[in-house]
Amino acid sequence: ETGVTQSPTHLIKTRGQQVTLRCSSQSGHNTVSWYQQALGQGPQFIFQYYREEENGRGNFPPRFSGLQFPNYSSELNVNALELDDSALYLCASSSIPGQGALGEQYFGPGTRLTVT
Amino acid sequence: AQSVTQPDIHITVSEGASLELRCNYSYGATPYLFWYVQSPGQGLQLLLKYFSGDTLVQGIKGFEAEFKRSQSSFNLRKPSVHWSDAAEYFCAVGAQTGANNLFFGTGTRLTVIP
Repeated sequence: ETGVTQSPTHLIKTRGQQVTLRCSSQSGHNTVSWYQQALGQGPQFIFQYYREEENGRGNFPPRFSGLQFPNYSSELNVNALELDDSALYLCASSSIPGQGALGEQYFGPGTRLTVT
Repeated sequence: AQSVTQPDIHITVSEGASLELRCNYSYGATPYLFWYVQSPGQGLQLLLKYFSGDTLVQGIKGFEAEFKRSQSSFNLRKPSVHWSDAAEYFCAVGAQTGANNLFFGTGTRLTVIP
């Protein structure tokens, strides 16, 4: 069984640029959630995708957007990067969108984004 | 609104000593509760979870946690800490309905002294 993978591992961007982060969900999982973890903080929920549609969103501006593909992999796009966007971005997959045992989320290792 | 408080930013224990990490939550209904561990450069690994039933839950790596509704707490415990337990620990709460987004605390960093 393949776990959750994310690419790239590290990324350095300049303020104002755009970035795309990628996530491959665990085999058999159709739901992907994205989290932002700033240094010294706990992860914060950005949004969730279920069957290629956004299925819940946290308190993040519209310049944070996403996609989910038919194979359930996902992308997180951030436009007009700001210094405060520097963080570890975590992707988590689950077999159903809701909670409960089947909704247990499996996290990838994350992408470390640095905005200068 | 949901929130999770982990009052201890950093805890240091000696190897072999017992451990308790505190977690308090605020939620309008019965929540789902989780403890995750994060080692440097790694993603989050689920230690244990509480959905319903027995309020004392057992997890991996010898960890356990007790749900106390009256205190809105879900403290993590381990009777004997190993050096490999040094990591960041996060408590999280999840809604029982809707999207399974999790609300995390700010974490407790555990240092283990040999």
